[in-house]
Amino acid sequence: QKEVEQNSGPLSVPEGAIASLNCTYSDRVSQSFFWYRQYSGKSPELIMSIYSNGDKEDGRFTAQLNKASQYVSLLIRDSQPSDSATYLCAVKEYTNAGKSTFGDGTTLTVKP
Amino acid sequence: NAGVMQNPRHLVRRRGQEARLRCSPMKGHSHVYWYRQLPEEGLKFMVYLQKENIIDESGMPKERFSAEFPKEGPSILRIQQVVRGDSAAYFCASSPIRDQETQYFGPGTRLLVL
Repeated sequence: QKEVEQNSGPLSVPEGAIASLNCTYSDRVSQSFFWYRQYSGKSPELIMSIYSNGDKEDGRFTAQLNKASQYVSLLIRDSQPSDSATYLCAVKEYTNAGKSTFGDGTTLTVKP
Repeated sequence: NAGVMQNPRHLVRRRGQEARLRCSPMKGHSHVYWYRQLPEEGLKFMVYLQKENIIDESGMPKERFSAEFPKEGPSILRIQQVVRGDSAAYFCASSPIRDQETQYFGPGTRLLVL
């Protein structure tokens, strides 16, 4: 079983819709959670970080964390074609030396 | 403030040659991480270094791969006797503080082994 699992997709939504990206993790000691966006051929770019249960909003993005269910999600409101990319979920252990464990990513396509 | 810098951006090697990948962290960052990304896959952790110290190398292959972060100069990821399976994108990230601190990624080095 992978430590961090994401639906590989591809996920396709129409422009203006809400895109919902999901991620589950297996290690209960995980404390830090991140969503990265990666355009094809480019490096990962941090979108959101979340450390506490609940929702965290930043513009059109909302991260949701449920540690009891070992689940973290990313909602993208009013999706734009420029949001089309691969979204990577990453998890870090608070007491670990700092490495992040990444999922394989979900590819999102926003159709005009 | 310049971001994380990596060079070369693209590197072509023949089987059996050596590959040297360089990473200069962001100014003020003393923690460096190396990740490898195979096509259509996520990033896989390789090694975490601080100046002159390897902190966590649990993701490094036991043979042919080594990394360093000297007191002066960039961090180096060295791959000896490359094989075709080493073809991948290698990303470096840096952060100022470990644990909950964010990692900032460089543009990556695309290694192609012929």
